[in-house]
Amino acid sequence: AAGVIQSPRHLIKEKRETATLKCYPIPRHDTVYWYQQGPGQDPQFLISFYEKMQSDKGSIPDRFSAQQFSDYHSELNMSSLELGDSALYFCASSINTGLAGAGDTQYFGPGTRLTVL
Amino acid sequence: GESVGLHLPTLSVQEGDNSIINCAYSNSASDYFIWYKQESGKGPQFIIDIRSNMDKRQGQRVTVLLNKTVKHLSLQIAATQPGDSAVYFCAENIGAAGNKLTFGGGTRVLVKP
Repeated sequence: AAGVIQSPRHLIKEKRETATLKCYPIPRHDTVYWYQQGPGQDPQFLISFYEKMQSDKGSIPDRFSAQQFSDYHSELNMSSLELGDSALYFCASSINTGLAGAGDTQYFGPGTRLTVL
Repeated sequence: GESVGLHLPTLSVQEGDNSIINCAYSNSASDYFIWYKQESGKGPQFIIDIRSNMDKRQGQRVTVLLNKTVKHLSLQIAATQPGDSAVYFCAENIGAAGNKLTFGGGTRVLVKP
């Protein structure tokens, strides 16, 4: 079965540079989520989009921005990179079941490992 | 703040035995819970989920139990296999489209041959 695709899988940047991470959700999924996972830590929610509109926002720095495009893929833009931004960045996708009060299962991609030097 | 956490950081289990991973949550408004398995360098892999209107759900070799009274859920893995070695996370969600998952601290499961 098709899964979430993320690119690039690995990225090395210098401090103060910018980075763009891409996420292609599972076909027919209309919602994407971004999570950041530091070494030995839990994934932390950054931001999500449903039908191209921001649906929820977590601990995303102001230096980061994201959007979802008409084909439902999403991009996470990161500027003025800092050493502390080094982490695994996961994208997840889900399909809105329309069930009131019900969470939708989020399926995760393989992640992008960002290293800031 | 609201959080989801696990009691045991590391669980060693003999191959063929059953494993039980526990998780406590504190947000009484959460109504959807998921267990994920994460292998080193990979993304979280969906195992099983349960909604708050249920107290038990079974999958292939896995069972999730939800006790809303004490805000506790557990993942039981039957006949643990070497391939089950990984970090397991519980996650909670307040159901609505696009809502975030809050992850608990992972438990590392080590399967001994």
